Amino acid sequence: ETGVTQTPRHLVMGMTNKKSLKCEQHLGHNAMYWYKQSAKKPLELMFVYNFKEQTENNSVPSRFSPECPNSSHLFLHLHTLQPEDSALYLCASSQEAQRGYNEQFFGPGTRLTVL
Amino acid sequence: AQSVTQLDSHVSVSEGTPVLLRCNYSSSYSPSLFWYVQHPNKGLQLLLKYTSAATLVKGINGFEAEFKKSETSFHLTKPSAHMSDAAEYFCVVTAASGGYQKVTFGIGTKLQVIP
Repeated sequence: ETGVTQTPRHLVMGMTNKKSLKCEQHLGHNAMYWYKQSAKKPLELMFVYNFKEQTENNSVPSRFSPECPNSSHLFLHLHTLQPEDSALYLCASSQEAQRGYNEQFFGPGTRLTVL
Repeated sequence: AQSVTQLDSHVSVSEGTPVLLRCNYSSSYSPSLFWYVQHPNKGLQLLLKYTSAATLVKGINGFEAEFKKSETSFHLTKPSAHMSDAAEYFCVVTAASGGYQKVTFGIGTKLQVIP
């Protein structure tokens, strides 16, 4: 595997379910990110982890819970979601999060549908 | 404060004609600027970046962009459009402040290429 991978690619869940999204980067980076991409809205940065420490939580509801066990893996745990949470969830990584000039490398995303 | 404005939500060009996707930004810091491309059902791929070196930046697939500080612009161009260029393009500004990286995405421009 190369680059940034995400599983599953598609997920359909009910509002009472609990599921997790997984992201893995094979680039030796130290920062990882979760984004939400909804139609007709800019990408919304949800969480940032730098050297396994969470450095940003952009007012994300507690029904989204991130976990970063090491610099290569990032999870997004989901529970009691709402239909408006349906979106494409993108994971990204970069060399580190404190340098503005570091580009981010994106995974293909997980298309989430909440019924 | 930091913001990105992509001036066109949709751009349509004929194959073989020039492409111009416009982006204006504002930032209180010394920004880095990026263009990413997203093909349907795929993650974002970096096209090019400006990080305070040469103001004319060349990227992949024949794209280039010019950083114009006086106009606070970073427009993306390509001399001759190809059918494979049809995708959504995102302008991004980042800056490091207080040890953290602030990332702001534009809303995206959908490029249609007509045969």
